[in-house]
Amino acid sequence: SQKIEQNSEALNIQEGKTATLTCNYTNYSPAYLQWYRQDPGRGPVFLLLIRENEKEKRKERLKVTFDTTLKQSLFHITASQPADSATYLCALANNAGNNRKLIWGLGTSLAVNP
Amino acid sequence: EAQVTQNPRYLITVTGKKLTVTCSQNMNHEYMSWYRQDPGLGLRQIYYSMNVEVTDKGDVPEGYKVSRKEKRNFPLILESPSPNQTSLYFCASTTGQGLGYTFGSGTRLTVV
Repeated sequence: SQKIEQNSEALNIQEGKTATLTCNYTNYSPAYLQWYRQDPGRGPVFLLLIRENEKEKRKERLKVTFDTTLKQSLFHITASQPADSATYLCALANNAGNNRKLIWGLGTSLAVNP
Repeated sequence: EAQVTQNPRYLITVTGKKLTVTCSQNMNHEYMSWYRQDPGLGLRQIYYSMNVEVTDKGDVPEGYKVSRKEKRNFPLILESPSPNQTSLYFCASTTGQGLGYTFGSGTRLTVV
């Protein structure tokens, strides 16, 4: 069956360190993968998109890698700050079909401690 | 400001009483979608719309209706709400393939 898995356990790190979140998938051929941030009770906010033919994407302190052989994306936040504490969701778009539907992971909760 | 606006933010209703959750976007996006989010189940798509008058079912459409008479609006209708529709609902829109979605702030619905 098709699955997307993110670290189910919360990630606690010290301010200033790099946070690394993992997104693994099986039985998909994604056209692209997206990362979102979600704060409690609020809508997800789009952060970064990486396409199947791209290895790495950066935006300020954020970096995303995409390995279609390993079927994995890594999301890094460098020089983390307490304000980065949130749940981070990965979502992928399958190659098939016209529906621009995203398949969502359950998210990883990140806590950055001062 | 570019945004997706959902109303109401919170709603408590009784079983069987029809309700509508409104969604409006000001970005001229073609594609709009409704999701519900439940603990342990994540975001699940209810309905989506590729353009005006074009709608289709997502993964969990039972008990819901939508319409897309204008590009900017995509209301979600619950004709006869039941307690299992208690959830956090999000409307989202995007302009094209491979672009990020803009989400509304969410509607927390409780059906008693």
